[in-house]
Amino acid sequence: RKEVEQDPGPFNVPEGATVAFNCTYSNSASQSFFWYRQDCRKEPKLLMSVYSSGNEDGRFTAQLNRASQYISLLIRDSKLSDSATYLCVGQMDSSYKLIFGSGTRLLVRP
Amino acid sequence: DTEVTQTPKHLVMGMTNKKSLKCEQHMGHRAMYWYKQKAKKPPELMFVYSYEKLSINESVPSRFSPECPNSSLLNLHLHALQPEDSALYLCASSQEGGSYNSPLHFGNGTRLTVT
Repeated sequence: RKEVEQDPGPFNVPEGATVAFNCTYSNSASQSFFWYRQDCRKEPKLLMSVYSSGNEDGRFTAQLNRASQYISLLIRDSKLSDSATYLCVGQMDSSYKLIFGSGTRLLVRP
Repeated sequence: DTEVTQTPKHLVMGMTNKKSLKCEQHMGHRAMYWYKQKAKKPPELMFVYSYEKLSINESVPSRFSPECPNSSLLNLHLHALQPEDSALYLCASSQEGGSYNSPLHFGNGTRLTVT
């Protein structure tokens, strides 16, 4: 079983839709989590850190459920510019090694 | 705009060539990383430097040789590469490697093609 697993998608949604991605992790010692977005042939860019209490940044909401060992990302009012691959990343204990999920591809259509 | 700068953006090299990739950050971060990314795959960790010392080498072949001249600079020296080494090479930095909630900040990458 992979340490961080994501549904690869693609998720194909119309503009204005709400879409949610889930990510599961296997190591209960994992401490910190992040969502990155990556456009085609570009570098990953930090979208948001994920906290147990949940955090929101504009149209984006991230939540961490430690009991069920999953992280979620909710995107409201999808824009065409949200089309990208979304990478779920976990930091295992105090290691330098961040574990990347394989990414979920989102396509927002007009 | 990225705060981690990588050069060159593109590189084509033959299997007998020697080249270097360069990375610079001015955010005062103390950990720097090299990742390799193939198409439609997540980034794979290659090396980590923390406080200018090599902390992690993920069993990378010796044809890849990292160097950290100071806390702001990270190089990756390439020699006798194979065509399968063609990929996007990403440099990243983090504020305190090994501490919690210390996300990576990536450079825009070097797209390497080995012919």
